[in-house]
Amino acid sequence: GAGVSQSPSNKVTEKGKDVELRCDPISGHTALYWYRQSLGQGLEFLIYFQGNSAPDKSGLPSDRFSAERTGGSVSTLTIQRTQQEDSAVYLCASSLVRLSTGELFFGEGSRLTVL
Amino acid sequence: QKEVEQNSGPLSVPEGAIASLNCTYSDRGSQSFFWYRQYSGKSPELIMFIYSNGDKEDGRFTAQLNKASQYVSLLIRDSQPSDSATYLCAVKPQAGTALIFGKGTTLSVSS
Repeated sequence: GAGVSQSPSNKVTEKGKDVELRCDPISGHTALYWYRQSLGQGLEFLIYFQGNSAPDKSGLPSDRFSAERTGGSVSTLTIQRTQQEDSAVYLCASSLVRLSTGELFFGEGSRLTVL
Repeated sequence: QKEVEQNSGPLSVPEGAIASLNCTYSDRGSQSFFWYRQYSGKSPELIMFIYSNGDKEDGRFTAQLNKASQYVSLLIRDSQPSDSATYLCAVKPQAGTALIFGKGTTLSVSS
């Protein structure tokens, strides 16, 4: 596709359930990022994949959060045993390797609501 | 802990005025600095980037960087109602790491 694709666009779940959020980056972009944005807040960095390098997981808020990127393309963010404070918009972005202009191309986000 | 600080606003300016948005960052080793615009309910989009001390102009937008003061700003000249959005400052602390974003400043331009 032409842009970063995320699914689902909306997810409502019950506290304690697991959720998976998917990101399909722009073809050819080797860097992939997950951020989350709570209501009225900025973007909180979660995890960063760059090519075949080990991911930078320093932003993951707890061990309930994990992410993987298969084949250097599609990424899945998994949240186990969801809590109400996990409610947010989860944004995925991709960029070219060099990131010389800092241009991250964002998807439309997955809005997660934990009841 | 690398931090990027912005005044949340809202910053209200009349149409045609200059809007000034400010950002400070904690990591003195930061290399690159970016301004993203985010319309309500939409995803952020890049509007400016700057690497060197001084000013960088692009149309109605001017980014200013002062590494000694760890300060970056964005000026919007001849502000238009369509400029009403949240402006996010982002910093790249060092090579190979992700952008760190501030919480954003909400700008409202009244006609």
